[in-house]
Amino acid sequence: QVQLQESGPGLVKPSETLSLTCTVSGGSLTNYYWSWIRQPPGKGLEWIGYIYYSGSAHYNPSLKSRATISVDTSNNQFSLKLTSMTAADTAVYYCARVITTHFEFWGQGNLVTVSS
Amino acid sequence: DIQMTQSPSSLSASVGDRVTITCQATQDVSHYVSWYQQKPGKAPKLLIYDASDLEAGVPARFRGSGSGTDFTFTITSLQPDDFATYYCQQYDTLPLFTFGPGTKVDIK
Repeated sequence: QVQLQESGPGLVKPSETLSLTCTVSGGSLTNYYWSWIRQPPGKGLEWIGYIYYSGSAHYNPSLKSRATISVDTSNNQFSLKLTSMTAADTAVYYCARVITTHFEFWGQGNLVTVSS
Repeated sequence: DIQMTQSPSSLSASVGDRVTITCQATQDVSHYVSWYQQKPGKAPKLLIYDASDLEAGVPARFRGSGSGTDFTFTITSLQPDDFATYYCQQYDTLPLFTFGPGTKVDIK
């Protein structure tokens, strides 16, 4: 069974850049799309973007080019960088494996709070 | 951008009840709608994909139907483990994936 685990800070200061990593175990990154999704406390889910194992990425236009997703196949990891963080970016950030039209496996989530 | 609406936003039901949630897309999304269950403090769990396909290992009491802009999710006989929030999600043009606002199912 494929498992995903997010890692990264729990607290980020306003205007700083968030860096999160998702480590995949029990399977390879090869031939799949890998995604980041976030959920503000008490609110719904927002797709951030995804990346193919080869490195091609697509993003939600709502993030106005603040997001960058990269992949490291040698370590079976993919990562998210989100610049210019504000309080509105406070959320649980999930990584997930994409199967064409949906999200098959999810990580447990990493709560990120933006505060000085 | 395609938006997804869900109704109701919440409902109260008893064990054994039939529960139905609807999801409407602002544009035709063919059959590319999935449904997820989320419990407090946990990640969403995939239940149904491509409108009506049951994810492996998911009980058959969960059903999905619909195409185009109107979709329905049904729990045929609500079980104690089913009290949770349910989200629909569409796949189409950018943004490639959009979620509905969720429906909270709690105990009557």
